Amino acid sequence: DAKTTQPNSMESNEEEPVHLPCNHSTISGTDYIHWYRQLPSQGPEYVIHGLTSNVNNRMASLAIAEDRKSSTLILHRATLRDAAVYYCILKGQGAQKLVFGQGTRLTINP
Amino acid sequence: DTGVSQDPRHKITKRGQNVTFRCDPISEHNRLYWYRQTLGQGPEFLTYFQNEAQLEKSRLLSDRFSAERPKGSFSTLEIQRTEQGDSAMYLCASSRDRDYSPLHFGNGTRLTVT
Repeated sequence: DAKTTQPNSMESNEEEPVHLPCNHSTISGTDYIHWYRQLPSQGPEYVIHGLTSNVNNRMASLAIAEDRKSSTLILHRATLRDAAVYYCILKGQGAQKLVFGQGTRLTINP
Repeated sequence: DTGVSQDPRHKITKRGQNVTFRCDPISEHNRLYWYRQTLGQGPEFLTYFQNEAQLEKSRLLSDRFSAERPKGSFSTLEIQRTEQGDSAMYLCASSRDRDYSPLHFGNGTRLTVT
């Protein structure tokens, strides 16, 4: 499975946008970029995924670089509930499982 | 959609004892996964079922670990002769039978081996 690199931690303020980066320079053409987050004392939850085009849903937006070697998860207006560990994961065509890295621990200040 | 349910939420056991955890996936999900997570680390894949067939097992799954999904619905994970190193959160997830379907995780069973 292709590897991703994320900062260990980030900090932001409530009601401000948050941009969480992910580098994946060895991504292959059929790898989808998935984001999950894990709130304290809970299992991971799906946030968003994409292949080439930018994606939006009710939780977040995913901006994918043109060369696909990096992506950014955007939380448009952070709340305290968004404090979590965010995982960027590559999942190839036909791959059955997710391989988690260390993720980015996001702290939101009131 | 009642979500993935895991039981028990917490288990404390003495070293050498056997423990069994149960996972009830979302009812229409064919795929079921077990992961293990230790403090400060991301979840590590243990094993994966497609219906009742166990299709992949990690090297982490030693011969003391066994997982079953007998009727393609709920699953159990048994650890025999527990060791202190088995202390972790054990997470179950399920998904539909499509490659890009998201995984839905339960809130895990926290095992403490004393």
